[in-house]
Amino acid sequence: GQNIDQPTEMTATEGAIVQINCTYQTSGFNGLFWYQQHAGEAPTFLSYNVLDGLEEKGRFSSFLSRSKGYSYLLLKELQMKDSASYLCAVRDRNDYKLSFGAGTTVTVRA
Amino acid sequence: DSGVTQTPKHLITATGQRVTLRCSPRSGDLSVYWYQQSLDQGLQFLIQYYNGEERAKGNILERFSAQQFPDLHSELNLSSLELGDSALYFCASSVGASQAGGYTFGSGTRLTVV
Repeated sequence: GQNIDQPTEMTATEGAIVQINCTYQTSGFNGLFWYQQHAGEAPTFLSYNVLDGLEEKGRFSSFLSRSKGYSYLLLKELQMKDSASYLCAVRDRNDYKLSFGAGTTVTVRA
Repeated sequence: DSGVTQTPKHLITATGQRVTLRCSPRSGDLSVYWYQQSLDQGLQFLIQYYNGEERAKGNILERFSAQQFPDLHSELNLSSLELGDSALYFCASSVGASQAGGYTFGSGTRLTVV
């Protein structure tokens, strides 16, 4: 099974940088995903890491360390529209299902 | 529009009733996944189908069942509904069992049990 931990809430100022950490324990790892979810809406795919290191995608970057069971999502040049919940998810090697953390609610203030 | 279609968008029903939620995956996707999201919980995996066959099962209650039809659409049946079943139910799809892009989610069905 999976055990995924991430902070419940974070607040940051418009234009700033926020780092959302995620730690996980899994019996079989096959990739880590980050999703963004606005309240009442569907989660949307942000990033995917399967090898150690940093993946950069515009204002969003995601990092993975498999040996430490650790990932982070970095949001740069924060905009008001980035206020949302950010979900860390781990894919199981055996059945490929995604298990999600409880999500981190990021509030961006002017 | 993600390409994954879920109907209905909203559903209000009484305790003890039975409802069916429907999902049409994105064109070309063979896998369908169902998730439940309650206010106080994150996305909870319910069940996965791949090309008509059940592939993986999460903590799905015995009162819940699902199937994937030959045209690849899927239905989630919830019976003997309880107040605690009120939640957002998401369907997601992917091409196969393993891909870098993860899943594409539908917009969800909001179920309210009164």
